[in-house]
Amino acid sequence: EPEVTQTPSHQVTQMGQEVILRCVPISNHLYFYWYRQILGQKVEFLVSFYNNEISEKSEIFDDQFSVERPDGSNFTLKIRSTKLEDSAMYFCASSETGLAGYNEQFFGPGTRLTVL
Amino acid sequence: SQKIEQNSEALNIQEGKTATLTCNYTNYSPAYLQWYRQDPGRGPVFLLLIRENEKEKRKERLKVTFDTTLKQSLFHITASQPADSATYLCAPSFTGGGNKLTFGTGTQLKVEL
Repeated sequence: EPEVTQTPSHQVTQMGQEVILRCVPISNHLYFYWYRQILGQKVEFLVSFYNNEISEKSEIFDDQFSVERPDGSNFTLKIRSTKLEDSAMYFCASSETGLAGYNEQFFGPGTRLTVL
Repeated sequence: SQKIEQNSEALNIQEGKTATLTCNYTNYSPAYLQWYRQDPGRGPVFLLLIRENEKEKRKERLKVTFDTTLKQSLFHITASQPADSATYLCAPSFTGGGNKLTFGTGTQLKVEL
């Protein structure tokens, strides 16, 4: 069964450093997402991406975040200058369509980001 | 502001019983609602989607109801098993709200032998 994959599974970085989290969405899906989950808290939406551009972003997704689909398979989340509060589990997801009511999303296993 | 409420306390039930989890929402009218399962350290997994014109949806041992008057969805697992132990998340969405998922905090279910 096709699945979303993410690398690395765990990333440790120093505050102020740049990190890139990588995802390979399901191959025939057109919509891609990033969510994050701080330990013990709920899963929060960061950004959605369609047709090579951001379709929606949350207040969390400020100027230090960026997303890219550098080739036909990868989808990346970059955090330019990490802060302690960026420590969280980051989930990539994809869906076949973005139609309301038909929007089952498939999540990857997550990347645990630890900022020291 | 829009609010999604799920029982923050864990629900402990005995194997074989029916588990019922609640999702209440305020200050918006979702056109559909999704339920996901999340295991510790893992990403959410889609379970069921119900639309506002559907009162009930079933899939194997799972049943979801959607009461737009009460602004509530109930999620039932019949004949529960220890393997059903997980956190269950609801995500109400409305048409025109984009395709993002806004999750509740989730309810942790523990099924004991």
